[in-house]
Amino acid sequence: DTEVTQTPKHLVMGMTNKKSLKCEQHMGHRAMYWYKQKAKKPPELMFVYSYEKLSINESVPSRFSPECPNSSLLNLHLHALQPEDSALYLCASSPVGSGSNTDTQYFGPGTRLTVL
Amino acid sequence: AQSVSQHNHHVILSEAASLELGCNYSYGGTVNLFWYVQYPGQHLQLLLKYFSGDPLVKGIKGFEAEFIKSKFSFNLRKPSVQWSDTAEYFCAVNARSGYALNFGKGTSLLVTP
Repeated sequence: DTEVTQTPKHLVMGMTNKKSLKCEQHMGHRAMYWYKQKAKKPPELMFVYSYEKLSINESVPSRFSPECPNSSLLNLHLHALQPEDSALYLCASSPVGSGSNTDTQYFGPGTRLTVL
Repeated sequence: AQSVSQHNHHVILSEAASLELGCNYSYGGTVNLFWYVQYPGQHLQLLLKYFSGDPLVKGIKGFEAEFIKSKFSFNLRKPSVQWSDTAEYFCAVNARSGYALNFGKGTSLLVTP
């Protein structure tokens, strides 16, 4: 089973709202990722958690705040977003962390976010 | 700088035609190579991957890819496409020492009946 689940599937929010995206995997994977994908574009890496610690932050604005409460769960807290932040937000997980030669990322279905 | 390039942005084929999508990468060091597919309205799915060994790898749904180290290429092939292969195809590369999975810009494939 290589399933990563994400909720909600769709989210519409105003620029003053606070919302959270949730990602879950029960495959025992130790690395989890947030990507942003604009229409007809490739996914762009935002954050990486390895063994529940933030390993990479790709210069993402502070209005996006990741959280990894445990090894199965990854959240993305959103606050004061801009309309240009509207995109598909993808979560991924991989079995092992940095230094592995054969790590493979598995993606969830994404949350389609619209910021009004 | 590390980069991944996909040569064809839009491809239109008739059913039963053969498919080859190009992917070249520019990376220092040893890499892992992947092809992902994104069907309309669906999430990214792993088609196949190459880590080491036989440079011809077989994936799901009849797809295969060949790693040619001297050409820094990892082209995706399928002998006979079906309408259901209509999707966006992404080549992706990551260096074995790190996490970041770098994607090419993608190729949009339309298979007509």
